[in-house]
Amino acid sequence: DQQVKQNSPSLSVQEGRISILNCDYTNSMFDYFLWYKKYPAEGPTFLISISSIKDKNEDGRFTVFLNKSAKHLSLHIVPSQPGDSAVYFCAALYNTNAGKSTFGDGTTLTVKP
Amino acid sequence: GAGVSQSPSNKVTEKGKDVELRCDPISGHTALYWYRQSLGQGLEFLIYFQGNSAPDKSGLPSDRFSAERTGGSVSTLTIQRTQQEDSAVYLCASSRPGQGTEETQYFGPGTRLLVL
Repeated sequence: DQQVKQNSPSLSVQEGRISILNCDYTNSMFDYFLWYKKYPAEGPTFLISISSIKDKNEDGRFTVFLNKSAKHLSLHIVPSQPGDSAVYFCAALYNTNAGKSTFGDGTTLTVKP
Repeated sequence: GAGVSQSPSNKVTEKGKDVELRCDPISGHTALYWYRQSLGQGLEFLIYFQGNSAPDKSGLPSDRFSAERTGGSVSTLTIQRTQQEDSAVYLCASSRPGQGTEETQYFGPGTRLLVL
């Protein structure tokens, strides 16, 4: 049973437009969510996170939205840049299982110039 | 400061051989994780070390897989009698477990294992 799902394996957007990456989860005990970005031949790097007590967290061009009732979070990138092309992983964890993040399968974002 | 390092970066082995993968976490990080990413797949949790506690081995796919963490720092993931389906990128990550951003995991570059 996959507890964190990224249903879109790929997304293609034009440079300058908004990229929206989605993530759904099933475990209501998750209380912290993270997005990681991964370039080919590199390990994932942390991008942005959100606690379950918030519904939005913004960092520059990146904003993460959390809808707890729908068990859904999304990552918005605006404006998208070609350098944003990468695989984006959504991850979730809960305090009683501290450290053990559950990851989605990732969404490959391609930003076209 | 130095990030998480892993060695070797690439490993090609023959089916049935044993392999050892090494991870050096960020200094001061008490938590260490191993994941693997098969081609086209997401990150699959393998094992988690936290301080001196017994490791969480719930993700290890078979008894051919084992991991050690010596002195609370360096970790070695060992795969015995490798199979072709073990071919993947093996990623190590470390973190300072706590609250909020301390949960962030910092990943190494991975070891690309190919079993022929």
